[in-house]
Amino acid sequence: SQTIHQWPATLVQPVGSPLSLECTVEGTSNPNLYWYRQAAGRGLQLLFYSVGIGQISSEVPQNLSASRPQDRQFILSSKKLLLSDSGFYLCAGTGSGTEAFFGQGTRLTVV
Amino acid sequence: DQQVKQNSPSLSVQEGRISILNCDYTNSMFDYFLWYKKYPAEGPTFLISISSIKDKNEDGRFTVFLNKSAKHLSLHIVPSQPGDSAVYFCAASWGHNNDMRFGAGTRLTVKP
Repeated sequence: SQTIHQWPATLVQPVGSPLSLECTVEGTSNPNLYWYRQAAGRGLQLLFYSVGIGQISSEVPQNLSASRPQDRQFILSSKKLLLSDSGFYLCAGTGSGTEAFFGQGTRLTVV
Repeated sequence: DQQVKQNSPSLSVQEGRISILNCDYTNSMFDYFLWYKKYPAEGPTFLISISSIKDKNEDGRFTVFLNKSAKHLSLHIVPSQPGDSAVYFCAASWGHNNDMRFGAGTRLTVKP
């Protein structure tokens, strides 16, 4: 089955510090991968999606960046976190099946 | 550009009554639609789906209706139960590349 391992589950970071969230995929090759954010009291917002190694599309201008160094690895980064970066970050993928599969999410609190 | 829209951020329903969650999409290329349920601090879980060749799919208490001409789909939950309280996401995908887009979600609260 297709699975995503996403870590860490929770993270508290000071303003101005860097960020690196990683997700890795198992059970499928060449998946489409997505980073979503759910801010407190708000809906799911697509941040980045990738259709292959080195291919990143950004949906919204922001303080974050994404990279896909390997087929099954998708990384969300920031050089300097802002308070507004706090939220629940979710890595998702679509592969050979019709359903998306998800990581368990990372709750990021910027203090 | 939000290609999949859920215009109601929240919905409150009495236990035993029907819950109707709505979703609109703009991209006519979408050919497969899904609903996901999400509890706090967890990833979404798949609930039910429908192909564009159908207009209705039913699974127990959950039914999804698709109106292609209106680019609209809805999820009906009958009867609603307190355990159904969660955020529901509508998703749409298209093509062999299986690219997928999600709506922003609707928070359903089922009151006992």
